[in-house]
Amino acid sequence: GGIITQTPKFLIGQEGQKLTLKCQQNFNHDTMYWYRQDSGKGLRLIYYSITENDLQKGDLSEGYDASREKKSSFSLTVTSAQKNEMAVFLCASSPWGGAETLYFGSGTRLTVL
Amino acid sequence: GDSVTQTEGPVTVSESESLIINCTYSATSIAYPNLFWYVRYPGEGLQLLLKVITAGQKGSSRGFEATYNKETTSFHLQKASVQESDSAVYYCALGPGGSNAKLTFGKGTKLSVKS
Repeated sequence: GGIITQTPKFLIGQEGQKLTLKCQQNFNHDTMYWYRQDSGKGLRLIYYSITENDLQKGDLSEGYDASREKKSSFSLTVTSAQKNEMAVFLCASSPWGGAETLYFGSGTRLTVL
Repeated sequence: GDSVTQTEGPVTVSESESLIINCTYSATSIAYPNLFWYVRYPGEGLQLLLKVITAGQKGSSRGFEATYNKETTSFHLQKASVQESDSAVYYCALGPGGSNAKLTFGKGTKLSVKS
């Protein structure tokens, strides 16, 4: 079996700061995703990538950049952290296609002071 | 747009009792959506519990079952006898056949099973 590793597990930043979240997978999956989860809400897609160097915007891409320089890694940058922002960011990967299982990491919890 | 509505938690049941977590969906842009239940156990990442891609079919895993009902646009999760280890957050989701990138998740239902 494979694993998805997200770093860091907890991230505390200051307002206006640029913050980067990292994700690694060893499933050899083509597609990787970044989701945001706010308390009491469902997961919302920020960015996804169907292959190395590909980037596709999700519903929540404003305020974020992403990078997929290798098949195994997918990073997300919060371009300017918003004060009092708190959310969990989840990385996932899957083979390309519909109805394929998504495999998730444990998440990065962001707090902005 | 597409949406998923599920039982608002938290839900607390006693061990060996039966459970149903309701999930209804609205798929305005997808004629035949795929339906999923994902689960997050304490301290673990979100993982697939079961999926059904054909209307009228039932999916099952770990004693849980869910039937894809296109007439009532529902995909309720049921278990006849829950265990303490079933305590988790459960998410219903729908997606188009062609791309996982368009998955729509519900808000999640936190289940606590007391012994």
